[in-house]
Amino acid sequence: DVKVTQSSRYLVKRTGEKVFLECVQDMDHENMFWYRQDPGLGLRLIYFSYDVKMKEKGDIPEGYSVSREKKERFSLILESASTNQTSMYLCASSLGAVQLSNGYTFGSGTRLTVV
Amino acid sequence: AQSVAQPEDQVNVAEGNPLTVKCTYSVSGNPYLFWYVQYPNRGLQFLLKYITGDNLVKGSYGFEAEFNKSQTSFHLKKPSALVSDSALYFCAVRDETGGSYIPTFGRGTSLIVHP
Repeated sequence: DVKVTQSSRYLVKRTGEKVFLECVQDMDHENMFWYRQDPGLGLRLIYFSYDVKMKEKGDIPEGYSVSREKKERFSLILESASTNQTSMYLCASSLGAVQLSNGYTFGSGTRLTVV
Repeated sequence: AQSVAQPEDQVNVAEGNPLTVKCTYSVSGNPYLFWYVQYPNRGLQFLLKYITGDNLVKGSYGFEAEFNKSQTSFHLKKPSALVSDSALYFCAVRDETGGSYIPTFGRGTSLIVHP
């Protein structure tokens, strides 16, 4: 089975801190994604990547950046954490060209609280 | 543009009864449709997808979904609900001919199965 591993299940950070959320997948998937999930809003795409060193903005990229230096790892960076970035963050990956409609494999999520 | 709606925030059903979780969509071309399930404090798990072919799609854990082009719907169904089916369910759509490669997710429907 494909595994998508997010390094932390729960994080508490202070306002203004730089925060790194790490995601690793073990099945050589080309595409990786970062979503945030908030009650009543569903999943909103922050950034995605379809290849090493490639990144594309999603629907809500403001306040975030990403890094994909290796195929298996996709990092989400909160440059200066704010309380409105308190959320559940989900990483996902998928196989093949991003134009294809393979299902996603999701990580277990990181619940980030910014105080 | 592509969009998806899950008209019910919550669905309640008794164990052993059939369940339906509704999803409607809007696309310019042909839809690629997906259902995912999220158990508490976990990431999303892929259940099933419709790309083309038979309108009735079978997926994991005994779930199935029926694609109805005229009603632009893709409702998730199960003949006999289990308490363990209680979870959050997400429908997603991608327009085959649209400019976005990324599916749009609904806001989610909470399924509660009562013993």
